[in-house]
Amino acid sequence: GAGVSQTPSNKVTEKGKYVELRCDPISGHTALYWYRQSLGQGPEFLIYFQGTGAADDSGLPNDRFFAVRPEGSVSTLKIQRTERGDSAVYLCASSLALTGAYNEQFFGPGTRLTVL
Amino acid sequence: AQSVTQPDIHITVSEGASLELRCNYSYGATPYLFWYVQSPGQGLQLLLKYFSGDTLVQGIKGFEAEFKRSQSSFNLRKPSVHWSDAAEYFCAVGSRNTDKLIFGTGTRLQVFP
Repeated sequence: GAGVSQTPSNKVTEKGKYVELRCDPISGHTALYWYRQSLGQGPEFLIYFQGTGAADDSGLPNDRFFAVRPEGSVSTLKIQRTERGDSAVYLCASSLALTGAYNEQFFGPGTRLTVL
Repeated sequence: AQSVTQPDIHITVSEGASLELRCNYSYGATPYLFWYVQSPGQGLQLLLKYFSGDTLVQGIKGFEAEFKRSQSSFNLRKPSVHWSDAAEYFCAVGSRNTDKLIFGTGTRLQVFP
């Protein structure tokens, strides 16, 4: 079946612009995660959705970052007033949300964001 | 706070040689531990995981890892490396209370023929 998909695969924008990054999770996965991977670093947790609600947004670096998942499936990560330091690969992952068990996260290929 | 350390940024081995990638973690309780592989242009793929029980875990592609609580380590091993194993490897720790993952900075593996 189809895995996690992310669009666009690459996004180049100018400093100060607004961007939206999209994630389509695996069908039936109720949990969705966003991570950010800067050059030479491991992925860094941003936010976790359980259904439509953000269960943990402790990793969002500041209020320029916002994410939504209005119907409990597709999610959009929104970045306002982009800065050069926002340049990174943004990864999305999804998982089942089985109670009492660890749920493996399946990762998408990422969106490479470059802020000029 | 939870953290993961991968001391080796870059490792080079010859094809057919054995491999060990180091991972140390800091966590207040018994952690969930993972190894992921990331090839260029590909998403992260789970190699193996440790939750509890047998401290030697087997994964895909011939990889294994051993959990050593006394050393706070979860090193990844493979007896004979193939050229297709060249990639970036990430160790990660998770919590029993949340599925959020904390990743190390990764080890880039280069394989020479």
